This record gives sequence, structure tokens and C-alpha cells, in this order.
Amino acid sequence: KAGVTQTPRYLIKTRGQQVTLSCSPISGHRSVSWYQQTPGQGLQFLFEYFSETQRNKGNFPGRFSGRQFSNSRSEMNVSTLELGDSALYLCASSPAGATEAFFGQGTRLTVV
Amino acid sequence: GIQVEQSPPDLILQEGANSTLRCNFSDSVNNLQWFHQNPWGQLINLFYIPSGTKQNGRLSATTVATERYSLLYISSSQTTDSGVYFCAAPRGNTDKLIFGTGTRLQVFP
Repeated sequence: KAGVTQTPRYLIKTRGQQVTLSCSPISGHRSVSWYQQTPGQGLQFLFEYFSETQRNKGNFPGRFSGRQFSNSRSEMNVSTLELGDSALYLCASSPAGATEAFFGQGTRLTVV
Repeated sequence: GIQVEQSPPDLILQEGANSTLRCNFSDSVNNLQWFHQNPWGQLINLFYIPSGTKQNGRLSATTVATERYSLLYISSSQTTDSGVYFCAAPRGNTDKLIFGTGTRLQVFP
């Protein structure tokens, strides 16, 4: 069974640009969550989607958004990039709520 | 909301040594996971352990839900065990995982 796939793996963007990250969950998993990891703040929850609906959102500005498609694939978008958005973005999938989560390899975003 | 604390923050071992990593959580949880973050950043699942004890090779974990802590044991450590170990618990009945700050393990030959 294929694992969680995140694309792209690495990304370099300029301040003010926008970026879209993609996450394909494990087949059959309906829940997708996103996390941001930075050296200063650790692993922080961004949002969670289940059956195309956002169920939870973390404490991030509105520049961070996401969506989930009918095939459970998810995308997250960050607009008007800032230097502080440089981070490792991790996606997790799970079969349903409060069950074991499995993570992708992450997308490392660098904003210059 | 729930808070998750890990100790120690750093651990330096010689190959072959044993270690115990601890995870305390502030509220009752439906489940708890242990992860190992590899040098490329991926979180590798080690244990999904709401309560009780599980073993997988040289690694084992115990969660005492009533006392709100979990322990990860690494026996006969190897250099490949190096990395950061995280525990995480969900907030309520959701997939929002709250992570501890991690234990950075360095194993030297």
C-alpha cells in the first residue's frame, strides 16, 4: 500500500509570491491534516479535512488555506509569502477521526 | 487544551546503551503516538499506544493513561537510532495532534 505522498519535496519562493502544496493520502483514508515545523515553534497544527470539509483549524493567519477533493487528496495554499513561512510542511492521513496518523515526507519551503 | 511535554530534551548515548524517553500529557487522551523524525524530516510511526505496552524489536513503549504518561524504551541503541523522537496526542476526538517538543537522541559509535 502506498504511503502518504507530498509534492513537491523542495520549493524556493520569493517574498510576496504564493505557493500550493499537495498531499495524497493513503488509499482509503479520508482525513488529511497539515502541520508546520519550524526550529522555533516546533510542530504546529494548521488544519484538518475530512470528506472535503475543514473540521479544525490552527492558529494561523488567513494567508494559509486548504482544501480537500472528493478523492481525499488535499492541497494547502499560502499567499503573500513571508520569510517566516520558511518551514517543513507535513501532511498526515488517517482513516477517520482520532485514529493513527501517517505522515508524508514533507515539503521543505524556503522563502527568500 | 491538552499539553504534551517530553523529557529529556537531549540525550547522548554510546552505541549499545539503553535509554528511556518520557512523554507527559495534561489531559486524558484517546490515543498516543510515538514518532521518529529521520534526517530528511519524515515522521516515522513507531507506536500507536493509547494504553498498555507494545514491543517492536529493540523498541518498546508503555502508556499509563490513568497517570497521563508514556515511556519509550530503546535498548541496545545503534547509530541509526539518532534523530528526534516525538510523542503526540489528539485534542479530543479529532485528528488535531498536539506534539511534544521532542527528544533529540545522538548515538555515537
